This record gives sequence, structure tokens and C-alpha cells, in this order.
Amino acid sequence: NAGVTQTPKFQVLKTGQSMTLQCAQDMNHNSMYWYRQDPGMGLRLIYYSASEGTTDKGEVPNGYNVSRLNKREFSLRLESAAPSQTSVYFCASSEAMTINYGYTFGSGTRLTVV
Amino acid sequence: AQTVTQSQPEMSVQEAETVTLSCTYDTSESDYYLFWYKQPPSRQMILVIRQEAYKQQNATENRFSVNFQKAAKSFSLKISDSQLGDAAMYFCAYRGNKLVFGAGTILRVKS
Repeated sequence: NAGVTQTPKFQVLKTGQSMTLQCAQDMNHNSMYWYRQDPGMGLRLIYYSASEGTTDKGEVPNGYNVSRLNKREFSLRLESAAPSQTSVYFCASSEAMTINYGYTFGSGTRLTVV
Repeated sequence: AQTVTQSQPEMSVQEAETVTLSCTYDTSESDYYLFWYKQPPSRQMILVIRQEAYKQQNATENRFSVNFQKAAKSFSLKISDSQLGDAAMYFCAYRGNKLVFGAGTILRVKS
């Protein structure tokens, strides 16, 4: 099925460990996004990439880095995981940043940092 | 910055009854979209309905409809003939340059 694929679906990390969340879309979308979901706070934007070769900070970028590897792939890296980064992470894509284009979401990654 | 407020953390509805979920937003932009997303326990984000700000007519999708009040910056979701499968977390979202979400409302459906 066409869409946004995230790996892994679940991950447990120890404090201080690093990891990369992978995201790939096969819809030829230009824009990609990383969100985190926490209880009572909805989804908050971490980083986004308006087009291949560009990345920008969102609302909660601290502790994260991203790479737009090519048009299909947008990865999120935690260099030194902290318990505050325990969350569900969603990747999304859209054809462009303009408002008339909707988002397609991946199925999420549940990350626990102990 | 745009903000989205969902003032109802949880709502309950009897099967076959009607329920309304509230959402207000704040923006200085004149052109934008509004969305309701459903998130079942599977975590998948499912688009329920969308509304273009420049359209006066309220959007409708089968049993789902919205009451869009642009001047009041209000965007509520009405679910008619509620079904057990409607039980989920519902997010209101504002689409300007980026998509901004409310905190969500958990909807429980009683049989």
C-alpha cells in the first residue's frame, strides 16, 4: 500500500543511548514532518522538511536532529536519549507546504527511554 | 503562532445517539484549513473531515458534520448515530503553513 512507512514500531532505549527513527514515503511528496504525541498535549511538530535538501525546526526541536536523505526519506535522530523523550513519534508527508495539501501519517513509533 | 484548543478531555455517548466535540482556534490568517482526525487504539491518524476557511458551507461526510463559525473561531464536530467503532481519540487541527493540533478528546461509546 502506498503511504508513509516508519520503522521501528516499538523501541526501548536506556538513558544516554542514541537511535535513529526512519521514515519513507512513496507518494512523491515534497514535504515531510516529524511530530511527537504526548498525553494531554496532542501532536507537536519537532522538525520538518519543506523540500529535499531543506530542514527546519518546529515547536519542540531540542534533543533531536533530522536528515532529509532524499525525496523519499526523512530520519529523526536522538543523540543522547532522555526519559523526557519517551513518546509516540509520527512521521507525515504532504505534496507541498501550501495549505490545500493534506498530510499522510505513518503508523507511529512508540519510544520508551528508561 | 496559531493555537488549537479542545476543552473536553473526554466525552461519552450512547450508541445511536449524537455527540458534539468542541474546538476553538486562534489565528490572524484569513486563509486556512481545519481538520478533524480520528486516532483509534491502532495509533493510525485517520482524516475524518476537512473544512476550507473561505467556504461558508459546513462540511459533511456521512454521519460526521462540522459547525464552522469563522468569526468565533470555532470548529465543532458532530457525530450522528454513534457507533461502537467511533470510539477513539479525536484531534482538531489547523492547517496554515504547518499543521497544528489540539490536545485531543477521548470519545467513549456505550452500548
